[in-house]
Amino acid sequence: AQSVTQLDSQVPVFEEAPVELRCNYSSSVSVYLFWYVQYPNQGLQLLLKYLSGSTLVKGINGFEAEFNKSQTSFHLRKPSVHISDTAEYFCAVTHNAGGTSYGKLTFGQGTILTVHP
Amino acid sequence: NAGVTQTPKFQVLKTGQSMTLQCAQDMNHNSMYWYRQDPGMGLRLIYYSASEGTTDKGEVPNGYNVSRLNKREFSLRLESAAPSQTSVYFCASSVLAGENDEQYFGPGTRLTVT
Repeated sequence: AQSVTQLDSQVPVFEEAPVELRCNYSSSVSVYLFWYVQYPNQGLQLLLKYLSGSTLVKGINGFEAEFNKSQTSFHLRKPSVHISDTAEYFCAVTHNAGGTSYGKLTFGQGTILTVHP
Repeated sequence: NAGVTQTPKFQVLKTGQSMTLQCAQDMNHNSMYWYRQDPGMGLRLIYYSASEGTTDKGEVPNGYNVSRLNKREFSLRLESAAPSQTSVYFCASSVLAGENDEQYFGPGTRLTVT
């Protein structure tokens, strides 16, 4: 079975400061990793995903994440945040089972990022 | 192109009442999913449909049933609502039932059971 832990439930930060949202996962097999964002009163939207290849993944809105297999982490970063980045962020994992997992995502608990002026 | 739509947006039920949450997608996706979102618990998969004509249980299926009506529509039914089912429900879809496939989410249905 796989699990995801987001290490911070809330992250307050000032505008234009850098931010890192931490995500650790556990799985006995190789994984695919995702970050989703949920703006207030909306559904989830994909920010970025790691499938294979380069461990540094770039996504929308200036976000990037680094896959670290030895530390089983997939932390999300942005060098300079905006007020509009205020949202809840979810890390998710599904395992590479040769096409049999049917996209069953396991989500972390979520991290609320609040950007202050 | 509306993407994934869900109805209703809000609903209040009394314990024991039944209701059906509707979901439709216009992206010609094969796979559809139902999740519930509870504070501090992220999203948990209730049921999914890998393709038209198939459905399967997810992590928290008890108290729910689903119907994949056609390729576009996937409904979630609560036969006898309980306060523990108070939650925000999200429907999602993806092109294929592959583990690396992006899922597209609807805006959610906020359900309160009193």
